[in-house]
Amino acid sequence: GDSVTQMEGPVTLSEEAFLTINCTYTATGYPSLFWYVQYPGEGLQLLLKATKADDKGSNKGFEATYRKETTSFHLEKGSVQVSDSAVYFCALSPSTSGTYKYIFGTGTRLKVLA
Amino acid sequence: KAGVTQTPRYLIKTRGQQVTLSCSPISGHRSVSWYQQTPGQGLQFLFEYFSETQRNKGNFPGRFSGRQFSNSRSEMNVSTLELGDSALYLCASSWAGLKDTEAFFGQGTRLTVV
Repeated sequence: GDSVTQMEGPVTLSEEAFLTINCTYTATGYPSLFWYVQYPGEGLQLLLKATKADDKGSNKGFEATYRKETTSFHLEKGSVQVSDSAVYFCALSPSTSGTYKYIFGTGTRLKVLA
Repeated sequence: KAGVTQTPRYLIKTRGQQVTLSCSPISGHRSVSWYQQTPGQGLQFLFEYFSETQRNKGNFPGRFSGRQFSNSRSEMNVSTLELGDSALYLCASSWAGLKDTEAFFGQGTRLTVV
């Protein structure tokens, strides 16, 4: 079945460091891919998405490119801030007609130190 | 406009009891999904409703059920509570429930079973 694999955390970085969080997926067809972020005590917020191969999603300095050939959707940011500290979830929405749900990775906790 | 509202935010129940959680989606959204979040299993899909019909169901026992009303508000019910049902239950709404559309999450209901 469809699945998402995310790099294990926690990831600890200094402010202004470069961030990469790896995400790979297994799915039939052409799923849509998402990155969600969860701050302490909150629900999930959409960070960015990509709906087809080679699409690049971007928001708030974060970017991720839908790579069909490597089945990956790695999250990157050039310069992290303390306020980016949160848990990041990679997710896919299957391409199967009539199936609307998200399959999430395990989440990667990011801690940014001042 | 108002976001997804889940009530109550916190709940403590005793083993064997039943519980009902409520979710009010964003106005105009017709798809409501439910997820269970635990430290061990991560985020797992429970079920999705669209226009009062359950379209998808995850791999959970029959003790977990839900419904959606004509105004798109949704409830989920867990009967005969077990300690392992302790989790954060997240509701998400989407305007159409299509794979390319983002889901908006509520802050969740934290259920503790003692």
